[in-house]
Amino acid sequence: GAVVSQHPSWVICKSGTSVKIECRSLDFQATTMFWYRQFPKQSLMLMATSNEGSKATYEQGVEKDKFLINHASLTLSTLTVTSAHPEDSSFYICSARDPRQGYNEQFFGPGTRLTVL
Amino acid sequence: DAKTTQPNSMESNEEEPVHLPCNHSTISGTDYIHWYRQLPSQGPEYVIHGLTSNVNNRMASLAIAEDRKSSTLILHRATLRDAAVYYCILATNTGNQFYFGTGTSLTVIP
Repeated sequence: GAVVSQHPSWVICKSGTSVKIECRSLDFQATTMFWYRQFPKQSLMLMATSNEGSKATYEQGVEKDKFLINHASLTLSTLTVTSAHPEDSSFYICSARDPRQGYNEQFFGPGTRLTVL
Repeated sequence: DAKTTQPNSMESNEEEPVHLPCNHSTISGTDYIHWYRQLPSQGPEYVIHGLTSNVNNRMASLAIAEDRKSSTLILHRATLRDAAVYYCILATNTGNQFYFGTGTSLTVIP
């Protein structure tokens, strides 16, 4: 199957700083990528849909100015958590659709664990 | 918004079959039924999907009710590596978003 990577796998930052997380589709081009957040012992919550060459679509309740998404190429989407605070500590997961597939399967990255001190 | 209902947890003995149920009474005609599973501290991985007919692959089988308002993921012989949270998700074939429900945490007992 298609492979999606994330970088970094974990990051620790100080409160008030910004953190960028990368999501790459390694062996396919993804016009659409998705960003999720997962708190401990909870399910994945969709944050936004990232579309190559256009603005991301954010889910209700997700601050677009705080979670900046850029999808500048067909293989890379980035999520920047701006002015991070301890409550932003979470497991961030991206996924991508492979347009070569005949159905709506999403390929998920391994996740990035963010800890804000 | 999640449109599926699953039991919070289930247990199975190793090497025995496991039937994981999912209710999706508001399913529409264009919704596919997807199953993913997530191991601790990893991203979800695809298990199986279907529309109307039962489906089999190397990982599992998917049994879909005739009215499509429920489905069951079947692991034929549970192994310790199958211990994970299993999510049942509805999504159209051309649509984008996956909305995850609470999932079922499967414990496999040696």
